[in-house]
Amino acid sequence: DQQVKQNSPSLSVQEGRISILNCDYTNSMFDYFLWYKKYPAEGPTFLISISSIKDKNEDGRFTVFLNKSAKHLSLHIVPSQPGDSAVYFCAASAWGRDDKIIFGKGTRLHILP
Amino acid sequence: GAGVSQSPRYKVAKRGQDVALRCDPISGHVSLFWYQQALGQGPEFLTYFQNEAQLDKSGLPSDRFFAERPEGSVSTLKIQRTQQEDSAVYLCASSSHRTVYEQYFGPGTRLTVT
Repeated sequence: DQQVKQNSPSLSVQEGRISILNCDYTNSMFDYFLWYKKYPAEGPTFLISISSIKDKNEDGRFTVFLNKSAKHLSLHIVPSQPGDSAVYFCAASAWGRDDKIIFGKGTRLHILP
Repeated sequence: GAGVSQSPRYKVAKRGQDVALRCDPISGHVSLFWYQQALGQGPEFLTYFQNEAQLDKSGLPSDRFFAERPEGSVSTLKIQRTQQEDSAVYLCASSSHRTVYEQYFGPGTRLTVT
């Protein structure tokens, strides 16, 4: 039973437009959420995170939104650039209760020229 | 600027062989994690060390998997009597004590069991 779900295996977005990657979770004990980006043959790279006490966190072109009641978070990238083409993993943790970070299966983002 | 390094990058083992995968974390990072990533999946937690103490090994799939970090820096993941289902990328990540959520990953070791 997947606790972190990324239902879109892939997404194609025109360069310059907004990319929106979605993630749903089932465990209400999760209180910290992260997005990682992964290029082929490399390990995941931390991108941005959000605590459950917030509903938005912004870092440059990247913004993460958290809707606790819907158990849903999304990553917005604007404007999308060619270097953003990668696999994006949503991850969640209930730190303090459990030291694990649970990852989704990932969404492959293609930025089209 | 040294990040997390892992060796070997690729390993082919015949079924039944033992393998040892090494992780060199970022210097000074207290926490170290091992993950297993099967094809098309996200990383799955295997085990967690804080310094030399293995605080959680609940993700290790069987008693054929063993991890150690004897001096609180380099870690080794050992898989005994490898099986085909062990084929995966094994990722190591480290984190400083203050930012334990933000784990820095190595490039992984791709293990193929034939």
